[in-house]
Parts: sequence; C-alpha cells; structure tokens
Amino acid sequence: QVQLVQSGAEVKKPGASVKVSCKASGYTFTNYAMHWVRQAPGQGLEWVGWLNPGNGNTKYSQNFQGRVTITRDTSASTAYMELSSLRSEDTAVYYCAREDTQYLPDCWGQGTLVTVSS
Amino acid sequence: DIQMTQSPSTLSASVGDRVTITCRASQSFRSWLAWYQQKPGKAPNLLIYKTSILESGVPSRFSGSGSGTEFTLTISSLQPDDFATYYCQHYNSYSPWTFGQGTKVEIK
Repeated sequence: QVQLVQSGAEVKKPGASVKVSCKASGYTFTNYAMHWVRQAPGQGLEWVGWLNPGNGNTKYSQNFQGRVTITRDTSASTAYMELSSLRSEDTAVYYCAREDTQYLPDCWGQGTLVTVSS
Repeated sequence: DIQMTQSPSTLSASVGDRVTITCRASQSFRSWLAWYQQKPGKAPNLLIYKTSILESGVPSRFSGSGSGTEFTLTISSLQPDDFATYYCQHYNSYSPWTFGQGTKVEIK
C-alpha cells in the first residue's frame, strides 16, 4: 500500500537548519509530485513547496523567501525538505503529501514536529 | 497566487444542526476547490473535491457547492463525529496548494 514515512521530531536552535525526510513506498516514487505542508501549534495549514521527483523541479511558497529547499533521492524513494535560518515561528508539524492524478493529496506522512527554541 | 478567506473561524452548533462554512477566493477559478476535515494530531482528511464531488466513504450529509469566488461546505445534520476543524483548499496542476484559515466546529 502507498505509504509515506517521515523522519523523527527535531529540536533546533534559532538560526540553525533542519532537514526532514519523507520515504515513499508502495508506488513508483518518480511518477507522483510531492508537496510539503506545515502546521504551527493551534494554527492552520500552510503550503511550503512542491517537488516533481521525476525531474527534480521545485516550486516554493514566497513566504519562505529562499529559506526552503526540497530535494529527492530517487534511489531511496525519499524526498527531503530543508529549512534554514530557523526562527521560533517555524515551530510546527511538517507533513509531506503525495499529489494524485487529480492534483490532490491522496496520502500524507505522519508529520514531523520541528521545535525551534533557544 | 490565489488567496482563500474562510468564515467563520469558529462555529458553535448542536447535534442535528445544519452547518454552512464559506470560502472566498481572491480571484475566480473553475471548480478546483476541496474541503478537508482535521482532528487534533491527525493529517487532514479529504471530504470533497472539484467543489462538489464527495470523496469515497464520506457521509452524504456533507455537500459542497459554489463557483467563481464563493464556495460553501454544508453539513446537513451535524453528528458527534463532525466536531473538528475544516479547511478549504484551492489546487491545480503545478500550482501551490492554498488553504483557508480553517473553521473550528465546536459543541454548543
């Protein structure tokens, strides 16, 4: 079955970087786009960016102003989201989600809590 | 990018009530609107896509409508399992996913 398994929780200091992984299984990784969405505590859903695993093309939310990089390792069927220059407002659960053929998420990772605290 | 404004932010209702949530877009688009239900600690769960198509397994008390810049989610008779937070989302090919701010449906 289709499954996305994310890396574990992270605690980082302000100014540091974090890299979250999302390992896909149960389907051909390069055939489906992957999105990243975050949710701060008690807040709504915020789109972070998008990856085409087939060719590596990406698109990012303007809200992150060059701080986010999404990459992939096709041999490991894994997508990565790296966020740099972390600040307290980046404390959130980060989800990866596979985009289906109708441009909607049909599978979500379990979420990774990133806590930014001095 | 299209911005989505959802209202109300909080809604207090009783079991059996008819509930309506509205989502307004900053510019008009054709049907690429979805609704999600989210419960604490869980990923969002798709309810409706393409404005009005019910996802498989979703109860028929949920319905969606709208066009242009105004879209609605209606729950015809609120059930205990429906107390949750709901989000609208604009989506399209090679486009950002844009979410509304969310509507928390609380027990009155």
